[in-house]
Amino acid sequence: AQSVTQLDSQVPVFEEAPVELRCNYSSSVSVYLFWYVQYPNQGLQLLLKYLSGSTLVKGINGFEAEFNKSQTSFHLRKPSVHISDTAEYFCAVSDDKIIFGKGTRLHILP
Amino acid sequence: DAGITQSPRHKVTETGTPVTLRCHQTENHRYMYWYRQDPGHGLRLIHYSYGVKDTDKGEVSDGYSVSRSKTEDFLLTLESATSSQTSVYFCAISDNQVPGDEQFFGPGTRLTVL
Repeated sequence: AQSVTQLDSQVPVFEEAPVELRCNYSSSVSVYLFWYVQYPNQGLQLLLKYLSGSTLVKGINGFEAEFNKSQTSFHLRKPSVHISDTAEYFCAVSDDKIIFGKGTRLHILP
Repeated sequence: DAGITQSPRHKVTETGTPVTLRCHQTENHRYMYWYRQDPGHGLRLIHYSYGVKDTDKGEVSDGYSVSRSKTEDFLLTLESATSSQTSVYFCAISDNQVPGDEQFFGPGTRLTVL
């Protein structure tokens, strides 16, 4: 059965500093991986997804993620965060049905 | 933005009363989903639909029923609301249920059961 683990429930980071949000998954078959973002009082929207091909995936708002099959990870990174990146970020894995992680709250410190 | 609306956006009700939440889409997508979001649990699938009058259970379906009589509308009903159903409910849609397909989410309904 597939599962996804987001290792940090909250991540504080100073504005303009880099950030990495960690995601590990398990699945017995090939998977597709996603990162969604939820801004305060809104629904989720897709940041980026990995289907196949290049292991480095670029998404919206300067975010990128790297698929690492050997470590079963799909960590999300941004080289310099802005106050507008304050949100909750969800990693998700899909082979048959999509499963969401429990989310990581990104707090941007001034 | 995908055309998805949810109504009501906020509701307070009492234990034991029936509640119906509505999801409406203008995208003509085949698949529609209901999730609940709770702190520490992320999003959990309640029910989904793969066509008019075609629905199936998700991970946390107990206490909930759904109906889809038109492509654009997907209703979630709590027959007798309980305090454990206090949550934020999200509707989502997708064109297909292929593994790599993106889901588009509505703005959510915050339900409080007293």
